[in-house]
Amino acid sequence: DAMVIQNPRYQVTQFGKPVTLSCSQTLNHNVMYWYQQKSSQAPKLLFHYYDKDFNNEADTPDNFQSRRPNTSFCFLDIRSPGLGDAAMYLCATARTGVRDGYTFGSGTRLTVV
Amino acid sequence: ILNVEQSPQSLHVQEGDSTNFTCSFPSSNFYALHWYRWETAKSPEALFVMTLNGDEKKKGRISATLNTKEGYSYLYIKGSQPEDSATYLCAFRNTGNQFYFGTGTSLTVIP
Repeated sequence: DAMVIQNPRYQVTQFGKPVTLSCSQTLNHNVMYWYQQKSSQAPKLLFHYYDKDFNNEADTPDNFQSRRPNTSFCFLDIRSPGLGDAAMYLCATARTGVRDGYTFGSGTRLTVV
Repeated sequence: ILNVEQSPQSLHVQEGDSTNFTCSFPSSNFYALHWYRWETAKSPEALFVMTLNGDEKKKGRISATLNTKEGYSYLYIKGSQPEDSATYLCAFRNTGNQFYFGTGTSLTVIP
């Protein structure tokens, strides 16, 4: 089945130790998004790619970076995780030009110790 | 800052009760309104995509309505069951292809 896969499901990292979260999709969607969701809050968009074009949200910390080497894969790099970065990270894909919604991955729960 | 608001934030109902909750969004630059059902430890699942003012969609015991002129959508669940317990998220998509999520309504159905 076509889907969006995030690895790992749970990630524990040390304070200040770089960590990478991955997302892959078999839907051939041209847009990929990374969202951060903290408890009881709306998912917050960090950045997204329209094809290869990277779009960073103005309030996304510099600590967060992303890479999209090809259509299928997108990575979220957190260079120096702080305790405040502990959250659920959701990857989602979409197609432009149609009214479909997102297809979500299952998320990665990041814990910073 | 564009606000998409959902109310109530959380809701507890008895099994068999019917319930509804609200998503409010800007009435300008509307493209689509999406409803998602998000169970803990699972991916958000798409419920409805609503595009036209006056749309009504139904999926089993769950239905939704849309008013784009006044900027709101209602989600209804008839005869709630414990398996309906989840967070229900709405997302507003504008003509600039940007999505804005609400904070969600957490529903707990008590057996």
